[in-house]
Amino acid sequence: ETGVTQSPTHLIKTRGQQVTLRCSSQSGHNTVSWYQQALGQGPQFIFQYYREEENGRGNFPPRFSGLQFPNYSSELNVNALELDDSALYLCASSPSGGGGYTFGSGTRLTVV
Amino acid sequence: EDQVTQSPEALRLQEGESSSLNCSYTVSGLRGLFWYRQDPGKGPEFLFTLYSAGEEKEKERLKATLTKKESFLHITAPKPEDSATYLCAVQASNTNAGKSTFGDGTTLTVKP
Repeated sequence: ETGVTQSPTHLIKTRGQQVTLRCSSQSGHNTVSWYQQALGQGPQFIFQYYREEENGRGNFPPRFSGLQFPNYSSELNVNALELDDSALYLCASSPSGGGGYTFGSGTRLTVV
Repeated sequence: EDQVTQSPEALRLQEGESSSLNCSYTVSGLRGLFWYRQDPGKGPEFLFTLYSAGEEKEKERLKATLTKKESFLHITAPKPEDSATYLCAVQASNTNAGKSTFGDGTTLTVKP
């Protein structure tokens, strides 16, 4: 299977709730990264997983957590949602060792 | 801290009117500089990777160049379908391979 797919495409949640976003990475890409993109801004690095272990994190609090599974799928979990968490969440996969990403189309999260 | 600044924020061109987009960066050791194209509501699409000063890459009407402080994305004789936001990102050699620092992009509009 080629490409990166994310689900759901859109989501509306209430402040204080928890959310799980899902991603299916490109086959053969054992590195997956998650980014948050606010409207009009560039993507901000949340964290990266390599072979099911977190191996890098940006300036995001611990209520942002993730999992990576052996079948190239991964999850982003956000607890205690805040209004500022409203953004486009992007999953990106790459071969090990860095390089350009293959991005999914993202999940648009709105927190009300 | 790695930084990427893109200019201009927005650029409006007539079809066929060539121009350049600028990406200025500061990074403690460059592993790679990347250009992406992002259409509204979609994830970024990888265009080019540049690794060292003096390197150039071309694809159709786009050409990317790199110096020690800047990268340029030259657009020759653009068409309306080139309208999109163009993002620049850097990966530093002293961080984990997956983390990219993005600029906020240049939104290009090409009028027929």
